[in-house]
Amino acid sequence: EVQLVESGGGLVQPGGSLRLSCAASGFTFSSYDMLWVRQSTGKGLEWVSAIGTAADTFYPDSVKGRFTISRENAKNSMYLQMNSLGAGDTAVYYCTRGRGNYFDYWGQGTLVTVSS
Amino acid sequence: EVVLTQSPATLSLSPGERATLSCRASQSVRSSLAWYQQKRGQAPRLLIYDASNRATGIPARFIGSGSGTDFTLTISSLEPEDFAVYYCQQRSDWPPTWTFGQGTKVEI
Repeated sequence: EVQLVESGGGLVQPGGSLRLSCAASGFTFSSYDMLWVRQSTGKGLEWVSAIGTAADTFYPDSVKGRFTISRENAKNSMYLQMNSLGAGDTAVYYCTRGRGNYFDYWGQGTLVTVSS
Repeated sequence: EVVLTQSPATLSLSPGERATLSCRASQSVRSSLAWYQQKRGQAPRLLIYDASNRATGIPARFIGSGSGTDFTLTISSLEPEDFAVYYCQQRSDWPPTWTFGQGTKVEI
C-alpha cells in the first residue's frame, strides 16, 4: 500500500524558515517524480515544487528562489526547505507522487502557519 | 500559463441526481487533464486522468470527457459520499508547470 507521510509543519515567524519532510513507503520511491502541493485555508490547490527521478527540480514563480525541494532515495524521503516565509505561504502542504502529468497519491498534509 | 476555469462554483443537487461539472482551459491541453475529489478534512483523491480514464478503484458513475479546451466530469447518479469539492488539473509541457482549477463544490 502506497503511503506518504508529511512532517515538519508548524508555526513560524514571517521571514523565517521551515523544512518539511515526506516519508514514502509501499512503492519504489526512486522510480517516481515527487511533488509538493499546498492549499490555503478554504482555498484551492497550488503546486509548489517538483523533483524528478534524476533530481531535476521545478518551481512556480511564487516560490522560486525561496523554496528548495530535494530527495534522498536511500531513505525513501523527500524534503522541502522553505525560506523567507510570508503570510501567503500559510497553508496545508501535501506530499504527492507524480504519475505522468498527474498526482496519483497524496499524503494527509502538514500545516504551515506563518505568523508573528 | 494555462488557466483552468471551473463552473459552476457550487452545484446543489440531491442524491440520485446527475451532476455535470465543467472545466475550461485557456488554451488546448489536448487530453492531458485530471479530476480530483476532495472531501472536508481530507487530501484530494485522483478520480480521472487523461480526460476520461478512471483511476484505480474509482466507481463507474464517475465519467470524464472532453479534449482540447473543454472538459466535463459527470457523476451519473450522486451517492451521499460524492458530496465534495472537485478540481481539474493539467500540466504544461515546458517548463513543467502544474495548475488547478478553482474547484466546484457539489452540495446537498
